[in-house]
Amino acid sequence: KQEVTQIPAALSVPEGENLVLNCSFTDSAIYNLQWFRQDPGKGLTSLLLIQSSQREQTSGRLNASLDKSSGRSTLYIAASQPGDSATYLCAVSVFGNEKLTFGTGTRLTIIP
Amino acid sequence: NAGVTQTPKFRILKIGQSMTLQCAQDMNHNYMYWYRQDPGMGLKLIYYSVGAGITDKGEVPNGYNVSRSTTEDFPLRLELAAPSQTSVYFCASSYYRGNTIYFGEGSWLTVV
Repeated sequence: KQEVTQIPAALSVPEGENLVLNCSFTDSAIYNLQWFRQDPGKGLTSLLLIQSSQREQTSGRLNASLDKSSGRSTLYIAASQPGDSATYLCAVSVFGNEKLTFGTGTRLTIIP
Repeated sequence: NAGVTQTPKFRILKIGQSMTLQCAQDMNHNYMYWYRQDPGMGLKLIYYSVGAGITDKGEVPNGYNVSRSTTEDFPLRLELAAPSQTSVYFCASSYYRGNTIYFGEGSWLTVV
């Protein structure tokens, strides 16, 4: 059974710092991995999607990496801003299964 | 495009009542999903559909029913509401398996 873990559950950093969020999964036979952002009282917004054949994806100040062999993904946020404050979730899918397995998220607070 | 639209946003039900959560997408996506999110837990898949007329169970289908008569609409029916169904419900869609998933804003349901 696939399990996805995100540690820490909460993180506070000063504005302007670069930071890394972690995601680990137990079954390396994944189809893809997605990172989402969730603002309080809102739905999830997809940030980056990494296919199993890819090592990383970039969008603006965000860079996500994938290491299937170690069961890990990281989301790197450069030059953090207060507007980056949100909960970040990762989710993995496996071949032949429609289900996304979500982590419980990391609540990020950027301190002005 | 409105994306994925869910109604209602908030609802309080009494134990034993029934209701339908509405979901519509205007992106011509084939795949649609219903997830529930409980505090401190990852999102759990309730039901999904890979196209009009086709639905299948996810991880936690008990107490729910769905239908997919059109590409655009994917309503979730709660029969005989129970306190355990108090949760936030998210509808989502994607063009195909492995593509970016788009979420609605969520429906907050309380069963008392």
